[in-house]
Amino acid sequence: DAGVTQSPTHLIKTRGQQVTLRCSPKSGHDTVSWYQQALGQGPQFIFQYYEEEERQRGNFPDRFSGHQFPNYSSELNVNALLLGDSALYLCASSFRDLNTGELFFGEGSRLTVL
Amino acid sequence: AQSVTQLDSQVPVFEEAPVELRCNYSSSVSVYLFWYVQYPNQGLQLLLKYLSGSTLVKGINGFEAEFNKSQTSFHLRKPSVHISDTAEYFCAVRKKISGNTPLVFGKGTRLSVIA
Repeated sequence: DAGVTQSPTHLIKTRGQQVTLRCSPKSGHDTVSWYQQALGQGPQFIFQYYEEEERQRGNFPDRFSGHQFPNYSSELNVNALLLGDSALYLCASSFRDLNTGELFFGEGSRLTVL
Repeated sequence: AQSVTQLDSQVPVFEEAPVELRCNYSSSVSVYLFWYVQYPNQGLQLLLKYLSGSTLVKGINGFEAEFNKSQTSFHLRKPSVHISDTAEYFCAVRKKISGNTPLVFGKGTRLSVIA
């Protein structure tokens, strides 16, 4: 049973560029959440997708957007990249109504903005 | 809003010694509590969680944590650490409401086990 898979694992962009990160949830999960983990910090919630809609959003600007596909996979897009967007981006999957359940995390996509 | 404070950013400890990683939280509503571990260049893995019932929770790899409501704490302990326990540990909370609410994490504690 494959867990949460993310791609790419590493990427380097320059300021002003745009980036797309991809996530496939654990089999049977229908909800995908994205977190940003800056160096030396804990993960911060970006947004959550369920039934192809953004359901909850953290304190991130509109430059951060996402999408969920019918097969539950998801993309995170960041436009007009800033140096401060350099971070590890983590995808987590879960069941929609299982607030007591475990979030399963992928290994992350490490973005470096130069 | 919820917040999580991990009182120690780094904890060095000798192999086979006990360790405690401290976590305090603040919330206006009841929360569920979690500890996650992150090994180098990997994602997060759940160690244990407190949902309700007994305040002493046992997790994987010999870790346990105790929920103290009056002190709003959820400290993580292990009686004897191994080199392989070297990692970053994150305490996190979620609102205790229906639906699927986001995790709010602390800044993490880096545990370094010394041979």
